[in-house]
Amino acid sequence: DQQVKQNSPSLSVQEGRISILNCDYTNSMFDYFLWYKKYPAEGPTFLISISSIKDKNEDGRFTVFLNKSAKHLSLHIVPSQPGDSAVYFCAASVGGGADGLTFGKGTHLIIQP
Amino acid sequence: DSGVTQTPKHLITATGQRVTLRCSPRSGDLSVYWYQQSLDQGLQFLIQYYNGEERAKGNILERFSAQQFPDLHSELNLSSLELGDSALYFCASSAGTGNLYGYTFGSGTRLTVV
Repeated sequence: DQQVKQNSPSLSVQEGRISILNCDYTNSMFDYFLWYKKYPAEGPTFLISISSIKDKNEDGRFTVFLNKSAKHLSLHIVPSQPGDSAVYFCAASVGGGADGLTFGKGTHLIIQP
Repeated sequence: DSGVTQTPKHLITATGQRVTLRCSPRSGDLSVYWYQQSLDQGLQFLIQYYNGEERAKGNILERFSAQQFPDLHSELNLSSLELGDSALYFCASSAGTGNLYGYTFGSGTRLTVV
């Protein structure tokens, strides 16, 4: 049973446009959500997070939106840059994550010049 | 360089064998987490250690075990290896026991069982 789902294995966006990556979850106990970015041959790198008490968190070009009623979150990247091409993982945790994170399968974002 | 060091980077071994993966956490971090990423899968949480003690267990098989030593480095032992154990194994570290600010991953060990 996959508790965190990223239904788009890949996404292609033109440079300068907005990239929107989506993530759905099923476990209503999740109270903290994170996005990680991964380049080939490297480990995932923390990008941005959001607590369930918020519905939006912004950090520079990256904004995460959380819709608890729909159990859905999204990552917006504006404007998209070539260096954003990577695999993006959505992750969720319960109670601060001491029991580890539950990851989605990832979305491969490709920024076209 | 994330500060989390994993060795070896690549490992090829035969079915039935035993291997040990090593992780040195970022300086000052007390928690170590192990994750497995199989082909086309997300990362699966295996186990967490905090300051030498096991803190949480995820989907870790009985054939797998881990420990964290007094110098805080950790080892993941995989035994009676099967073809399905072929995967990327990531180690991550954090200062505390949670992940409120995300934790730092190493670059992984790619294990291939033939």
